[in-house]
Amino acid sequence: KNEVEQSPQNLTAQEGEFITINCSYSVGISALHWLQQHPGGGIVSLFMLSSGKKKHGRLIATINIQEKHSSLHITASHPRDSAVYICAVSGGGYGGSQGNLIFGKGTKLSVKP
Amino acid sequence: NAGVTQTPKFQVLKTGQSMTLQCAQDMNHEYMSWYRQDPGMGLRLIHYSVGAGITDQGEVPNGYNVSRSTTEDFPLRLLSAAPSQTSVYFCASSYQGGNYGYTFGSGTRLTVV
Repeated sequence: KNEVEQSPQNLTAQEGEFITINCSYSVGISALHWLQQHPGGGIVSLFMLSSGKKKHGRLIATINIQEKHSSLHITASHPRDSAVYICAVSGGGYGGSQGNLIFGKGTKLSVKP
Repeated sequence: NAGVTQTPKFQVLKTGQSMTLQCAQDMNHEYMSWYRQDPGMGLRLIHYSVGAGITDQGEVPNGYNVSRSTTEDFPLRLLSAAPSQTSVYFCASSYQGGNYGYTFGSGTRLTVV
């Protein structure tokens, strides 16, 4: 079983729709990260959460530590939001390092005009 | 601009050749790491470093070597390239990893023929 599971794997939406991407994890964590990767592009950090909720523009990230679950919401989606969204957790680590990230496989979002 | 600089962006190698992927950051981050990204696999940790002179293995270290002689630089060496090392490689840095945000390089697309 993967330590970080994302759903859905693929998501197609119409412009303007409200979008939710889910992330569940099975390890103890110190923080959860949401990342964005545009096609052929680099990786950008969107949020880092250890509790509660964060908002940046049309993006909202929430985390429930007790349920080991996080969601990334996009309000009023736009074609430029089309990208792969990756959930990653830190605190489990390899070699005892708390700094290492464990990644989900990503959710590919396509927003149609 | 402050950030993580990765070079080269693209590289084709023949089986058995060696090469070094360069990674440099100018944010005085202690934590640096290398990942490979393969279709359907997500990002996987190759090697990481928590400071100059300190390196450790990640999930998939075989066939790769690293060193950290300065805070700024963290090169990844492929000792004898194999087709299985065809992948996209990302370098990332963080103030101290884990509970701090990550900055990723733009990636290196490596093909081994």
